[in-house]
Amino acid sequence: AQSVAQPEDQVNVAEGNPLTVKCTYSVSGNPYLFWYVQYPNRGLQFLLKYITGDNLVKGSYGFEAEFNKSQTSFHLKKPSALVSDSALYFCAVRDGASGTYKYIFGTGTRLKVLA
Amino acid sequence: EPEVTQTPSHQVTQMGQEVILRCVPISNHLYFYWYRQILGQKVEFLVSFYNNEISEKSEIFDDQFSVERPDGSNFTLKIRSTKLEDSAMYFCASRGGQTDTQYFGPGTRLTVL
Repeated sequence: AQSVAQPEDQVNVAEGNPLTVKCTYSVSGNPYLFWYVQYPNRGLQFLLKYITGDNLVKGSYGFEAEFNKSQTSFHLKKPSALVSDSALYFCAVRDGASGTYKYIFGTGTRLKVLA
Repeated sequence: EPEVTQTPSHQVTQMGQEVILRCVPISNHLYFYWYRQILGQKVEFLVSFYNNEISEKSEIFDDQFSVERPDGSNFTLKIRSTKLEDSAMYFCASRGGQTDTQYFGPGTRLTVL
């Protein structure tokens, strides 16, 4: 079965410091991986995705993610955190066993950037 | 930039009542989805819809749930007889034909009393 795991419920980082939000996956076949961000009382906003190609994927708002096949990871990163990055972050994988491209989400990681 | 919209933003209902959650997907998208997020839990797939029919549904999507695309723009989720455990945030998403990326609406918070 396809799955993603986000091992940290919360990540705290000081403003200006680099941040990493972790995600590991388990899929059969090639992974199609996504990161979404959820601000309070808002929907899920697409940040970036990995389908194929370069292992370092760049996305919105200065975020990037590193795909590591040997470690089955897709960690979200940003070189310098902003207070406004504080939100809930979800990793998702496209269910390769499904023909409908539905997503399987991780449990989410709350990022708190401290001023 | 086009976006998915959902109405209402918050719906409060009594147990046993019917509710209809509405979504307007991005206009040229072909694939539509409903997900839900119970408070404090992860986002879960409910149903996908393509070419005017359900293409996949989860075990959560039982006979109390139905979806419809009544016209060229709206996509609705109906819960016939709500239960307390249906209280959740419901997200609509849509996807174009040439991409894996789903675009989500802001959600409808359903509270069943």
